[in-house]
Amino acid sequence: EPEVTQTPSHQVTQMGQEVILRCVPISNHLYFYWYRQILGQKVEFLVSFYNNEISEKSEIFDDQFSVERPDGSNFTLKIRSTKLEDSAMYFCASSDKWGNQPQHFGDGTRLSIL
Amino acid sequence: GESVGLHLPTLSVQEGDNSIINCAYSNSASDYFIWYKQESGKGPQFIIDIRSNMDKRQGQRVTVLLNKTVKHLSLQIAATQPGDSAVYFCAEFPMNTGFQKLVFGTGTRLLVSP
Repeated sequence: EPEVTQTPSHQVTQMGQEVILRCVPISNHLYFYWYRQILGQKVEFLVSFYNNEISEKSEIFDDQFSVERPDGSNFTLKIRSTKLEDSAMYFCASSDKWGNQPQHFGDGTRLSIL
Repeated sequence: GESVGLHLPTLSVQEGDNSIINCAYSNSASDYFIWYKQESGKGPQFIIDIRSNMDKRQGQRVTVLLNKTVKHLSLQIAATQPGDSAVYFCAEFPMNTGFQKLVFGTGTRLLVSP
């Protein structure tokens, strides 16, 4: 069964450093998403992306965050200057259609900011 | 405001029992709902979905019930197995925030004893 893959599984970074989280969505999917889950809390939407543009973003997704699809397979989330409160699990998801369709998630990257 | 909440944080059952996991949602504009299962160290895994024009949908050993009158969603798992032990999240698509952003509940941990 096709799946979303994310690398690395765990990233440890010093506060203030830049970090890039990588995702390979399911190959025929066109819509891509990032969510995060702070330990013990809900999964929260960050951003959605379609046709090389951000479609929607949450209040969490401020100027320190950016997303990119640098080629036909990868989808990345960059945090420019990490803060302690960015420590969380970051999940990538993808879907093949717009609207009422299930989003399929990767197993996440655990980001630890020191 | 929008919120999706779960009534019970932990549900303990015996193997072979039927399990019922409940979810309350507050956004009456939501028209699509998904149940996800999250095992330790993994991302949310799609289980079953339901649209607001339905009140029941069945899958393999799982049934989702939707009561729009009281804004309540439930997931029933028949003949629960140890492999069903996980955290279960309901998620909704609130129509008034766009058709892309999943809003997750806080999760219910299901513990299945042999």
